[in-house]
Amino acid sequence: GAVVSQHPSWVICKSGTSVKIECRSLDFQATTMFWYRQFPKQSLMLMATSNEGSKATYEQGVEKDKFLINHASLTLSTLTVTSAHPEDSSFYICSARGTGTLAGELFFGEGSRLTVL
Amino acid sequence: AQTVTQSQPEMSVQEAETVTLSCTYDTSENNYYLFWYKQPPSRQMILVIRQEAYKQQNATENRFSVNFQKAAKSFSLKISDSQLGDTAMYFCAFPLDSNYQLIWGAGTKLIIKP
Repeated sequence: GAVVSQHPSWVICKSGTSVKIECRSLDFQATTMFWYRQFPKQSLMLMATSNEGSKATYEQGVEKDKFLINHASLTLSTLTVTSAHPEDSSFYICSARGTGTLAGELFFGEGSRLTVL
Repeated sequence: AQTVTQSQPEMSVQEAETVTLSCTYDTSENNYYLFWYKQPPSRQMILVIRQEAYKQQNATENRFSVNFQKAAKSFSLKISDSQLGDTAMYFCAFPLDSNYQLIWGAGTKLIIKP
């Protein structure tokens, strides 16, 4: 089946540094990808919708300058947490919408745990 | 507004028992999909089952089945012959738009006891 790979699975960084998380669709093209944030024991919170070749659409309350999203190809979207602070520590999940024969399907990455010291 | 409600924060059953997780939603759409996702301790989100609203027949995937009541806007998940590996968070969700931006329920933590 279709696979979405997210990397890194976990990362620890110092406050003030930037961290990039990659989301790749391995065997299908994904024109649309979604980035979520999940706090412990809570549901997924949509941060932004990433469309290939265009600017991401951010949800209300999500700082676009803080969470930079780039979807430069049909198989890769990246989330960069800029000038990270401890409050940015969280679990980040991406999902990719299938196309063609996979239309109507959503595939999730394994998630990335970010810890900011 | 479109919403998804899971009223059971946590449930616990013995292995091999049957358990039903509830989900209600609100939408003005007529044709839509409904999903149940499982998130085990590994945190990988896994699709359990999908229901198409225009289909009257309830979806079934092996031990997993749904009770879809469109008029009542209810979409419960039944797990038969529960197994230890079913222990996970379960989320009910449906697409907000044709782009499959999902609206998520708060989740139900299911614990299967040996």
